[in-house]
Amino acid sequence: GAVVSQHPSRVICKSGTSVKIECRSLDFQATTMFWYRQFPKQSLMLMATSNEGSKATYEQGVEKDKFLINHASLTLSTLTVTSAHPEDSSFYICSATQARGLTEAFFGQGTRLTVV
Amino acid sequence: QQQVKQSPQSLIVQKGGIPIINCAYENTAFDYFPWYQQFPGKGPALLIAIRPDVSEKKEGRFTISFNKSAKQFSLHIMDSQPGDSATYFCAAGVGGATNKLIFGTGTLLAVQP
Repeated sequence: GAVVSQHPSRVICKSGTSVKIECRSLDFQATTMFWYRQFPKQSLMLMATSNEGSKATYEQGVEKDKFLINHASLTLSTLTVTSAHPEDSSFYICSATQARGLTEAFFGQGTRLTVV
Repeated sequence: QQQVKQSPQSLIVQKGGIPIINCAYENTAFDYFPWYQQFPGKGPALLIAIRPDVSEKKEGRFTISFNKSAKQFSLHIMDSQPGDSATYFCAAGVGGATNKLIFGTGTLLAVQP
């Protein structure tokens, strides 16, 4: 199947700083990328949907000014957690779909963010 | 209406057993139902998916059964192995422009040797 690479796999940052997570589709063009957040032993909660070249669509309750999403190319989307706090510590996962109309989503390996 | 309910929360079977995980949905607009397998510290990996025009789909040891009238679907793992021990998530989505998936709550499966 298609490969989605996420980087970094783990990051520790200090409270108040910002951290950027990258999501790349390695062997296909991803018209749409999704960002999820997962707490321990819980399900994946969709944070936002990003389409290449347009603004991300955020789910209800997700602060768009805190979680900045950029999808500048067909192979790269980034999530920046701004002014991070300990409660932002979580497992962040991206996924990508190959084309509009298809629903097969391929997931990255996730990023474990710890804010200290 | 956007929820996908998954059960059981956890499941223990012996090697060779057939664990069954069930999901139910409300939104009749859903037209795509995938199952994902997730190991600790990793992203989910697509196992198998079904669309509402068929009632069953098999891929290797994994089978999805789909009941459109009941709005339910389930995953069966044949001849389960210890390596199948993982968390399994069902999901539901609507094709088209959004391709958004709604995930179930997950089932932690342990296959004992």
